[in-house]
Amino acid sequence: RKEVEQDPGPFNVPEGATVAFNCTYSNSASQSFFWYRQDCRKEPKLLMSVYSSGNEDGRFTAQLNRASQYISLLIRDSKLSDSATYLCVVDNTGGFKTIFGAGTRLFVKA
Amino acid sequence: DGGITQSPKYLFRKEGQNVTLSCEQNLNHDAMYWYRQDPGQGLRLIYYSQIVNDFQKGDIAEGYSVSREKKESFPLTVTSAQKNPTAFYLCASRETGRTNEKLFFGSGTQLSVL
Repeated sequence: RKEVEQDPGPFNVPEGATVAFNCTYSNSASQSFFWYRQDCRKEPKLLMSVYSSGNEDGRFTAQLNRASQYISLLIRDSKLSDSATYLCVVDNTGGFKTIFGAGTRLFVKA
Repeated sequence: DGGITQSPKYLFRKEGQNVTLSCEQNLNHDAMYWYRQDPGQGLRLIYYSQIVNDFQKGDIAEGYSVSREKKESFPLTVTSAQKNPTAFYLCASRETGRTNEKLFFGSGTQLSVL
């Protein structure tokens, strides 16, 4: 079983749609959680950290369920510019064991 | 502007050749990392360094070597022992390596075999 698993997609959605990505992790001792965005052949960029209480940043909402070892990202009112790969990232003890999921590819169509 | 600079952007390796990828940061970060990304896969950790003159193997260190002689610099050498080097290589840094710290990435090097 992979340490961090994501649905690879691709997700094809029209502009304005709401889309949700899921991610599961295997290490119950994992401490920090993030969503990164990566455009094709570019470096990943931090989209948002994920907190236990859930957090929102504009159209983006992240949720963490420690009991189920599950993280989610919700994108509302999708824009063409949201087309990218979304990486689920989990930090284990000490921050030196940062584990990246394989990513979920999103295409937003006009 | 502070950031991480990787060079070259594209690199070609001949059979049996060692090549070195450069990574320089002016963020004054202690921790630096090298990742490899293959198409459709997540980033896999090659090596990391928490302080100058110290580094640790990641999950896929075989066929690679690094040095950390200066805080700003963390070059990666892909040796001839790495039989499948074609991939996208990303360098990253973090202030101290504590959890919940943001990773800063360079723009990457695409390595291909001739």
